[in-house]
Amino acid sequence: DGGITQSPKYLFRKEGQNVTLSCEQNLNHDAMYWYRQDPGQGLRLIYYSQIVNDFQKGDIAEGYSVSREKKESFPLTVTSAQKNPTAFYLCASSFAGTGAGNTIYFGEGSWLTVV
Amino acid sequence: SQQGEEDPQALSIQEGENATMNCSYKTSINNLQWYRQNSGRGLVHLILIRSNEREKHSGRLRVTLDTSKKSSSLLITASRAADTASYFCATRATTSGTYKYIFGTGTRLKVLA
Repeated sequence: DGGITQSPKYLFRKEGQNVTLSCEQNLNHDAMYWYRQDPGQGLRLIYYSQIVNDFQKGDIAEGYSVSREKKESFPLTVTSAQKNPTAFYLCASSFAGTGAGNTIYFGEGSWLTVV
Repeated sequence: SQQGEEDPQALSIQEGENATMNCSYKTSINNLQWYRQNSGRGLVHLILIRSNEREKHSGRLRVTLDTSKKSSSLLITASRAADTASYFCATRATTSGTYKYIFGTGTRLKVLA
């Protein structure tokens, strides 16, 4: 089936640890995104990438890092520098370009909790 | 920063009633999209309206767009308990040749059976 797969669904991080959230898509999308969602809140953009080997910071990039070595994959690392990482993380993808109708497709999300 | 702001933040209605939620945005857009999110799940695309369109329908959904006021509304008619979810608007912002999708703060809709 075509779609976006995020893993793991639930992840626990100890203080001072780095953790990596996986995001894979088989939709042949050029662009991929990571959003953070706090309980009862909207989505805030962490990083986005429109092409392999290139990515841009979103509104809340501090304490996070990404890589885009393959078109299908856009992993997010939550570093120890992120002081309040407990949140719901959503990965998304879309076709790139300047077309007016690029729908974004989302994965099912990953819950990260600091213990 | 969030470009879109939805209101109300929360809405509770009886099954069968209509639900209306609004979205305001700040910059020029090519299109505006509405998404739905069930609790603890990813977002699902509902409908897209282009900047040169004023109204669009899809099943029980009706979306309007007023680019002069930088606002959009989503109407769900004859609501059902299964419509209980959060609804977000999204716009595409262009920065230095790249673009990103910015989501609003969302409206939490509760439909009572």
